[in-house]
Amino acid sequence: GNSVTQMEGPVTLSEEAFLTINCTYTATGYPSLFWYVQYPGEGLQLLLKATKADDKGSNKGFEATYRKETTSFHLEKGSVQVSDSAVYFCAHMDTGRRALTFGSGTRLQVQP
Amino acid sequence: DVKVTQSSRYLVKRTGEKVFLECVQDMDHENMFWYRQDPGLGLRLIYFSYDVKMKEKGDIPEGYSVSREKKERFSLILESASTNQTSMYLCASSLGGSGKSTEAFFGQGTRLTVV
Repeated sequence: GNSVTQMEGPVTLSEEAFLTINCTYTATGYPSLFWYVQYPGEGLQLLLKATKADDKGSNKGFEATYRKETTSFHLEKGSVQVSDSAVYFCAHMDTGRRALTFGSGTRLQVQP
Repeated sequence: DVKVTQSSRYLVKRTGEKVFLECVQDMDHENMFWYRQDPGLGLRLIYFSYDVKMKEKGDIPEGYSVSREKKERFSLILESASTNQTSMYLCASSLGGSGKSTEAFFGQGTRLTVV
């Protein structure tokens, strides 16, 4: 089946700390992988994506690499800011499907 | 910019009422989706539509129906609202095709409370 598993939160970090949010997936085909972010009171917006193995998606200092051998797509950022406080969702779209499958979300809280 | 607009940010309805949640997108997208978002469960797909009058069940369609009479509008219907349908409802749209890495654009969400 298709599923996405991501680490539970909340993750609480101090400003300028290193961030990792783990994400693993199961899929029947060759999925595209996504990270979405939801800031307080807003809808989801795409943060980054990768469409094939070994691709690296990056945006706003965040990065994630499509690792087919470990079925993972971990989100990283070298130095977080208070403004990065949000809920982060890992998602995939499997081959032949039209809809995204989401993980449960990880809340990140960055303290000054 | 793509815009997905949900008609209400907050709704309070009574048990047994028929509830309509409306969503409009302005970018001529083929695909439209309804998800519900609950703490600890992430987003779960209720229904989606890939063309006018076409619909497919998602992972949790029970208690819901949908309507897509025009390409830009996708409605979610709760035939008889129940308290376990209290949730945040998110509408999304994407360009089209299956298996493509096209971005999905989300509305602001409707927080529905059924009392």
